[in-house]
Amino acid sequence: GENVEQHPSTLSVQEGDSAVIKCTYSDSASNYFPWYKQELGKGPQLIIDIRSNVGEKKDQRIAVTLNKTAKHFSLHITETQPEDSAVYFCAASRGSGTYKYIFGTGTRLKVLA
Amino acid sequence: DAGVIQSPRHEVTEMGQEVTLRCKPISGHNSLFWYRQTMMRGLELLIYFNNNVPIDDSGMPEDRFSAKMPNASFSTLKIQPSEPRDSAVYFCASSSDYNYGYTFGSGTRLTVV
Repeated sequence: GENVEQHPSTLSVQEGDSAVIKCTYSDSASNYFPWYKQELGKGPQLIIDIRSNVGEKKDQRIAVTLNKTAKHFSLHITETQPEDSAVYFCAASRGSGTYKYIFGTGTRLKVLA
Repeated sequence: DAGVIQSPRHEVTEMGQEVTLRCKPISGHNSLFWYRQTMMRGLELLIYFNNNVPIDDSGMPEDRFSAKMPNASFSTLKIQPSEPRDSAVYFCASSSDYNYGYTFGSGTRLTVV
């Protein structure tokens, strides 16, 4: 069945360093890949997304890359700050708005001051 | 825009009791998703609706779970009878054909004792 694997499950970095989270998906028909950030006691919040017709997208300190051939996509956070500490989820879907998302298992990122 | 509104925020109930979780999607969104989050299983899609019609309920664990969307501005997820293994955070999310990504509510933390 459809599956998204996410690694690592936990990640600790020093403030100012970069963090990378990687995901692999199984459904070849997936063409939309959002990333969500979940802070304690809150619902997941969309932070960036990428569609399959582009290989990379950047928004300030956050970037996502997509390798459709290998079915891999990654989240890169540069110049990490303590407020980046949260759980991050990747997801894969056959569409953006009204399709179901298959989520990865999450990565708990801790940025050490 | 008040976002996706879920109620109650917390629910503690005894095993065997009926539990009803409520969700008000963002006005104008035509898709609504119910997810369950646990440490062991992560974010699991239970059911989703498009234009108030259930599209995929394959994630509903068993007959004790039911969901309805009587109109575009309201949905319920009901568990009857509840069991301790139903304890989790239940999220509702909504989206539209014209935006990217779901918007999640703040969730309902359910504890069945």
